[in-house]
Amino acid sequence: NAGVTQTPKFRILKIGQSMTLQCTQDMNHNYMYWYRQDPGMGLKLIYYSVGAGITDKGEVPNGYNVSRSTTEDFPLRLELAAPSQTSVYFCASSRPGQGHTEAFFGQGTRLTVV
Amino acid sequence: AQSVTQLGSHVSVSEGALVLLRCNYSSSVPPYLFWYVQYPNQGLQLLLKYTTGATLVKGINGFEAEFKKSETSFHLTKPSAHMSDAAEYFCAVSEPIYNFNKFYFGSGTKLNVKP
Repeated sequence: NAGVTQTPKFRILKIGQSMTLQCTQDMNHNYMYWYRQDPGMGLKLIYYSVGAGITDKGEVPNGYNVSRSTTEDFPLRLELAAPSQTSVYFCASSRPGQGHTEAFFGQGTRLTVV
Repeated sequence: AQSVTQLGSHVSVSEGALVLLRCNYSSSVPPYLFWYVQYPNQGLQLLLKYTTGATLVKGINGFEAEFKKSETSFHLTKPSAHMSDAAEYFCAVSEPIYNFNKFYFGSGTKLNVKP
């Protein structure tokens, strides 16, 4: 029972490079989310998706892009990495209305931009 | 948008002492309320949740929380702290607009348990 799986767990990027953070879930959840966690700031929503083909911006979307071609996968793309994007990134999923009111989280991706 | 305030970014208690972590929220609609725990280098794990019904909810590891609508609070308690409780705790609120849940998180409280 894998739940929400994120890869990679750690990554160091140089300024200006790009990368994709992968997220997949095997719980058939409609809703998926990307958060970033900075010390003392809690979690901030970057993007979310309510189903395949549907995505929308959260609180801090600048510098990121997402896609949702399948129910299972929700990759987060960083273009032109900047030091301000150094953070821990969490993917989560939920399925409201089916008894699962909470979000289920992956283990996180720790990204450093140098 | 909702806001969630966790009073105290760091709380330190002795082993065996009462744990009290505070959470207040703002909401114009009945919220769903959650407490998550995060151990070092791990993801967030659900401790407990309130959706409807009984306002005192019990979670894993002996934790419980009480929803007080008049005080817009959802404080987390545990009668006797254990060393293994040392972690960061996040209060979260969801806004069940139509059929979509957006989750809003507090800034977190790090719990230190002294021997």
